[in-house]
Amino acid sequence: GAVVSQHPSRVICKSGTSVKIECRSLDFQATTMFWYRQFPKQSLMLMATSNEGSKATYEQGVEKDKFLINHASLTLSTLTVTSAHPEDSSFYICSARPGLITGNTIYFGEGSWLTVV
Amino acid sequence: SQKIEQNSEALNIQEGKTATLTCNYTNYSPAYLQWYRQDPGRGPVFLLLIRENEKEKRKERLKVTFDTTLKQSLFHITASQPADSATYLCAPGGDSGNTPLVFGKGTRLSVIA
Repeated sequence: GAVVSQHPSRVICKSGTSVKIECRSLDFQATTMFWYRQFPKQSLMLMATSNEGSKATYEQGVEKDKFLINHASLTLSTLTVTSAHPEDSSFYICSARPGLITGNTIYFGEGSWLTVV
Repeated sequence: SQKIEQNSEALNIQEGKTATLTCNYTNYSPAYLQWYRQDPGRGPVFLLLIRENEKEKRKERLKVTFDTTLKQSLFHITASQPADSATYLCAPGGDSGNTPLVFGKGTRLSVIA
């Protein structure tokens, strides 16, 4: 299947700093990527839809000024957690749909563990 | 609002038996439904997609059914193995490329040797 790569897989940052997570589609172009957050033993919660060349669409309750999303190219979307706090510690996962090549299947990255200390 | 329910949070089954997981959805008419497997600390891995005009789909030991009248999908693993132990997620979807997947809470399957 299609490959979605995330980097870094694990990151620890100090409270108050910002951290960037990258999501790349390695073998296809993705005009749309999706960012999820998952707390331990909880379901995947959609945070935002990232659209190439335009503003992201955020889900209700997700602060767009705190979780900055940039989808600058057809293969890269970034999520920046600004002024991180310990409660932002979570598992962040991106996904993308290759589109016509493989139908409607959505593929996920391996996820990024964020720990804010 | 859309609601997705997976029959149980956890399911324990003996090795060799068939595991059956249930996914029910309401306030939704999806064009297809996908099943994913998620291991602890990893991203979900795509398993199967079944469309609304398909009653059943198979892949090796996996079988998925889709009943749009009951608004339900069943996911079967035959001859289950301890390596099948994981959380299984269902996600109904639409046909638009911009539509994200919304997931149920998942069922944590444990296959006991």
